[in-house]
Formats: sequence, C-alpha cells, structure tokens
Amino acid sequence: DIQMTQSPSSLSASVGDRVTITCQASQDIGKYLNWYQQKPGKAPKVLIYDASKLETGVPSRFSGSGSGTHFTFTISSLQPEDISTYYCQQSGNLPLTFGGGTKVEIK
Amino acid sequence: EVQLLESGGGLVQPGGSLRLSCAASGFTFTNYAMNWVRQAPGKGLDWVSGISGSGSNAYYADSVKGRFTISRDNSKNTVYLQMNNLRADDTAEYYCAKAFGVVPTYYHMDVWGKGTTVTVSS
Repeated sequence: DIQMTQSPSSLSASVGDRVTITCQASQDIGKYLNWYQQKPGKAPKVLIYDASKLETGVPSRFSGSGSGTHFTFTISSLQPEDISTYYCQQSGNLPLTFGGGTKVEIK
Repeated sequence: EVQLLESGGGLVQPGGSLRLSCAASGFTFTNYAMNWVRQAPGKGLDWVSGISGSGSNAYYADSVKGRFTISRDNSKNTVYLQMNNLRADDTAEYYCAKAFGVVPTYYHMDVWGKGTTVTVSS
C-alpha cells in the first residue's frame, strides 16, 4: 500500500497568512494526488485534483503543486471560512489512501 | 442537482451484519465508479471499497476484505455495502463518494454523500 505522510498535523495562522501543507507519498504516484477540505460534521469536499487542478467553484486562493512523491497545498491568504481539516489522497494505486490530515485554525 | 444519499446505518452487535445503501441522482450513474470511505470518531479518512461503473470490478481495503461486499444496481442508481462479521473497529461514519471516472483509480472523488453512522457495540 502507498503511505501518505502529511505535515503538519495542525497549524495556527492569522487571517491573511499564507498556509502551506505538504504530502509525501511512499512511492511515485505521478500526478494522482487530490486535496480535500472537511469541516466539522460535514462530508469532505474536493478542492484540488491531479495535484494542481482547481475544482470548479473553488476559490483561487487554494492551489496545489508537485508530482511523483512530493506535493504541496497552499492557501495564499487564509480566510476565517477556511477553518477545516485538509486531507491529501492518492488515486494512482489501489487501495486508495489518505494522509493523516492537517487541522487549520485561526490564531 | 448531483446528489448521493446514504442509508442503512445503525447500532449492531459485534459479529452482526448491516447493509448500507447509497442512492444517486443527477448524473449518468453507470458512467462512474463509486466508493465507500469511512471515518472513525475523531480520526481521519479511510477508503473501504470501490466498484467500477459497470459493476464488474470491485476493490477492497485489506481491513474489510472477506467481510464486506460492494455491489451496485445500475437500474436503481444505487450502490450497496454489505457488511458482515462487524467488529468494534468498524464503528465509523460511512460516506458514499462518486469517482470522476469509470474506475476508482486515477480519479478524484468529486461528489460525497452526507454519511451514515455505523456503531458496532454490545
């Protein structure tokens, strides 16, 4: 199975800050890396797919980059509504696997 | 509107069975793979099973292989998860999620249901 190592597990930042989350795959997954946002008590929602493609309707302050084994997710200017847990997920191989999540809070 | 609605969760004793259902609407069901993803209380996301658009190929996490069976009825736009020999560590919120393509691999999960709660306890 491909292990997805996500860091940090939590972070606290101020409104307007740039926030970066990283995800490392245990083997090459090419571009097949997706990022999801989950708010408390809600289902996950895809923000970025294929490493860098922005899902329709998602604000442009969210972005992703990387390929192979190393990936980055960025919020360019943190907003209060971005308080959530974010997960990376690889879709290159079965079983599909998720990172452990990053809880983002406002400082 | 594209929508997924799960049902069938509940409280079951260890060793018992449950069948989850996920009714889909708003898209051509047979064109897309479907997945089940679970989340134990306070924990992260865990892929459980996926099935191709035609229903001819099914895939499982090792933790549920031999105990869970995924299936779909394309005439009813519904995917199922039959869960047998349930254990305490199967306790979780179970989400149905649509893949963006006809197989579970290579595609993100673009539509999610609201989830159904499964509690395994005596």
